[in-house]
Amino acid sequence: NAGVTQTPKFQVLKTGQSMTLQCAQDMNHNSMYWYRQDPGMGLRLIYYSASEGTTDKGEVPNGYNVSRLNKREFSLRLESAAPSQTSVYFCASSASQDYEQYFGPGTRLTVT
Amino acid sequence: KNEVEQSPQNLTAQEGEFITINCSYSVGISALHWLQQHPGGGIVSLFMLSSGKKKHGRLIATINIQEKHSSLHITASHPRDSAVYICAVEVDNDMRFGAGTRLTVKP
Repeated sequence: NAGVTQTPKFQVLKTGQSMTLQCAQDMNHNSMYWYRQDPGMGLRLIYYSASEGTTDKGEVPNGYNVSRLNKREFSLRLESAAPSQTSVYFCASSASQDYEQYFGPGTRLTVT
Repeated sequence: KNEVEQSPQNLTAQEGEFITINCSYSVGISALHWLQQHPGGGIVSLFMLSSGKKKHGRLIATINIQEKHSSLHITASHPRDSAVYICAVEVDNDMRFGAGTRLTVKP
């Protein structure tokens, strides 16, 4: 099992460009999450999907959209990237909420 | 004030020492997580607690719901335990994280 995979590992964007971060899990988990991690701010929840077909906002959703494409995949889209979105993005999954979360390796995004 | 406070922020220990990292929170929670972030950036879940105590190898996590406090203990610490340890709480389907405790274990 690969666990939680994320693509790409690294990305550099110019301000205003768009991109989609991909996340997939092969553990048949119901819940999936997107976090960002910034120095001095710790991890913060952007969006989560409690189950296939549902998505909900977390602490910092502005500037992002998500799609729970199917049970395996949960993508994060930046429609118009801003330098404030420079961060490391982690995807995670869990069997359900209130269960242990498994994290992907992260995507390091720089917006210039 | 952060909803999740960890102490200490930084901790240096000698190999073999007993380590305690503390986490206090100010909101009602449904669960508490302890995570380990390696120097390379990868994050691993260590424990998920809603009550009592859990043990995995040299790691022990406890939670006191009434006092809104959790501790992570590492027995017989080893240099490979060097990492950032993060406390996170689940609140109304949201996750809130502590700032992390950077642990360095010297041989």
